[in-house]
Amino acid sequence: GQQVMQIPQYQHVQEGEDFTTYCNSSTTLSNIQWYKQRPGGHPVFLIQLVKSGEVKKQKRLTFQFGEAKKNSSLHITATQTTDVGTYFCAGQSGGSYIPTFGRGTSLIVHP
Amino acid sequence: NAGVTQTPKFQVLKTGQSMTLQCAQDMNHEYMSWYRQDPGMGLRLIHYSVGAGITDQGEVPNGYNVSRSTTEDFPLRLLSAAPSQTSVYFCASSYSSWSNTEAFFGQGTRLTVV
Repeated sequence: GQQVMQIPQYQHVQEGEDFTTYCNSSTTLSNIQWYKQRPGGHPVFLIQLVKSGEVKKQKRLTFQFGEAKKNSSLHITATQTTDVGTYFCAGQSGGSYIPTFGRGTSLIVHP
Repeated sequence: NAGVTQTPKFQVLKTGQSMTLQCAQDMNHEYMSWYRQDPGMGLRLIHYSVGAGITDQGEVPNGYNVSRSTTEDFPLRLLSAAPSQTSVYFCASSYSSWSNTEAFFGQGTRLTVV
């Protein structure tokens, strides 16, 4: 079945440093979604990417979808303590109703 | 508009007991799903439904049953609880549209089996 790998599992940064998490799929995706889960909370949708090579920005967050639609990344510029949490990618292929989640990257920001 | 409501928030079971985790959504979403979240394992799909009367297995279905008699409700049943089912359970719902697949999650149920 479809597999979605996400790295790194954990990332410690000093406040103000940049952060990137990467997502790779074993199959070509029709779309990819990104979610954020704060400690003790539930996943919250951030964005969906659909087009090959698509780049979307939300303030300090930049999301990219690879040309082959098999990988994606989330980059946070100048991290803040409010960015703390686990970031999940979720990829969906053409034949699936429900996306497959990566294992997530936990971001720890040190003030 | 409550979104996705899960009950209970916390539950302790003894090995062998059965229980039902409730999930309800008021957004008229066709798709609903159940996940379990364990440390370092991400969100693993247990069962999902693409509409009332239609359910299917996910990645880790053993020990769990579901039914979807209405669009709004998607309960998850633990048949005979085992310590390996200690986890945080999330219910999610989403639109049945390729252009909009945003999933809305409930607050989660933290289950401990002793």
